[in-house]
Amino acid sequence: AQSVAQPEDQVNVAEGNPLTVKCTYSVSGNPYLFWYVQYPNRGLQFLLKYITGDNLVKGSYGFEAEFNKSQTSFHLKKPSALVSDSALYFCAVRSPSGGSYIPTFGRGTSLIVHP
Amino acid sequence: SQTIHQWPATLVQPVGSPLSLECTVEGTSNPNLYWYRQAAGRGLQLLFYSVGIGQISSEVPQNLSASRPQDRQFILSSKKLLLSDSGFYLCARGGLAGDIHEQFFGPGTRLTVL
Repeated sequence: AQSVAQPEDQVNVAEGNPLTVKCTYSVSGNPYLFWYVQYPNRGLQFLLKYITGDNLVKGSYGFEAEFNKSQTSFHLKKPSALVSDSALYFCAVRSPSGGSYIPTFGRGTSLIVHP
Repeated sequence: SQTIHQWPATLVQPVGSPLSLECTVEGTSNPNLYWYRQAAGRGLQLLFYSVGIGQISSEVPQNLSASRPQDRQFILSSKKLLLSDSGFYLCARGGLAGDIHEQFFGPGTRLTVL
């Protein structure tokens, strides 16, 4: 079975400060890891993914995430937060094997960036 | 380009009434399709997924059903809505078997059951 934990329901950060949204996972074998963002009353938008290779992956809107196999983590980061980054963020994991290839999503973390 | 349409965008229905939500996908063939429900703006609950026409898998027991009459059409239905069916319904497309791609989500349907 695969699972994802986003330990923080909400993260507050001041504009211009670095931000981190945490994600840990559990899956058999090497994971496929994803981050999505959701703005109010909208569908989820893909931000970035880790499949293989470099542990630091860069994505949309200046976001990046670091895959840490020993800590089974995939934290989302951004060097300088913008008020417009305020949204709901979801981490997801998928096993590379399995017939349906269904990802498991975390419960989401609400990011609030204060002016 | 690959686009997911959901219709309607918002819906207000009385308890006990029927439901039909439609999802159509453009720009791809034989996609894996998913229905999710999101309650109170938080976590996603997978309701159904489909790997092909007429092939539906249910993840949770409920009064909802799904159908896939065409390759790029996925429909969520109910014969009698419950108050607990209120939520934000999202249709998503996944890749083919072995695909490493992320999911693509539609814009969602906001359902309020009164």
